[in-house]
Amino acid sequence: DVKVTQSSRYLVKRTGEKVFLECVQDMDHENMFWYRQDPGLGLRLIYFSYDVKMKEKGDIPEGYSVSREKKERFSLILESASTNQTSMYLCASTKREPDYTFGSGTRLTVV
Amino acid sequence: AQTVTQSQPEMSVQEAETVTLSCTYDTSENNYYLFWYKQPPSRQMILVIRQEAYKQQNATENRFSVNFQKAAKSFSLKISDSQLGDTAMYFCAFYGNTPLVFGKGTRLSVIA
Repeated sequence: DVKVTQSSRYLVKRTGEKVFLECVQDMDHENMFWYRQDPGLGLRLIYFSYDVKMKEKGDIPEGYSVSREKKERFSLILESASTNQTSMYLCASTKREPDYTFGSGTRLTVV
Repeated sequence: AQTVTQSQPEMSVQEAETVTLSCTYDTSENNYYLFWYKQPPSRQMILVIRQEAYKQQNATENRFSVNFQKAAKSFSLKISDSQLGDTAMYFCAFYGNTPLVFGKGTRLSVIA
């Protein structure tokens, strides 16, 4: 089975900290995605990548950046965490759209 | 841009009964896919069922079936013989050559 692994299940960070959320997939998928999930808002796309070193903005990129130096790893970066970035973050990958595989999510709390 | 609307934030159903979750979408594309995902408390997103727009026949997976009305842009999910393990968030999602677009979700509670 394809695995998408998010390094932390829960994370608590302070306002102003630089935060890295890591996502690794083990099946040579080209495409990777970061979504943010909030109650009543569903999942919203932050950034995505169709290849190494490539990135595209999603619907809500403000306050975030990403890094994809290797095919299997896609990192979401909060340059200066703020309380309104407290949320659940879901990573997904796919070799051929639209068959997505999701990670189990990172619940980030910014205090 | 595509949009997906789930008009029922919360629903409940008695065990063994049938429940239908609603989803409508808006798109100008002709070829696309529609999905229902389940997210239990474990948070893992589980694909329940998918429908390709060019197929007229409604998709079914065991107790789960859809009513796909392409002209009306409607894609509802019917769960038959509801089980306690069906308690979860359910998301309707659309794919049309851009990354998956999700609805806001419906929280389903199955009551014993």
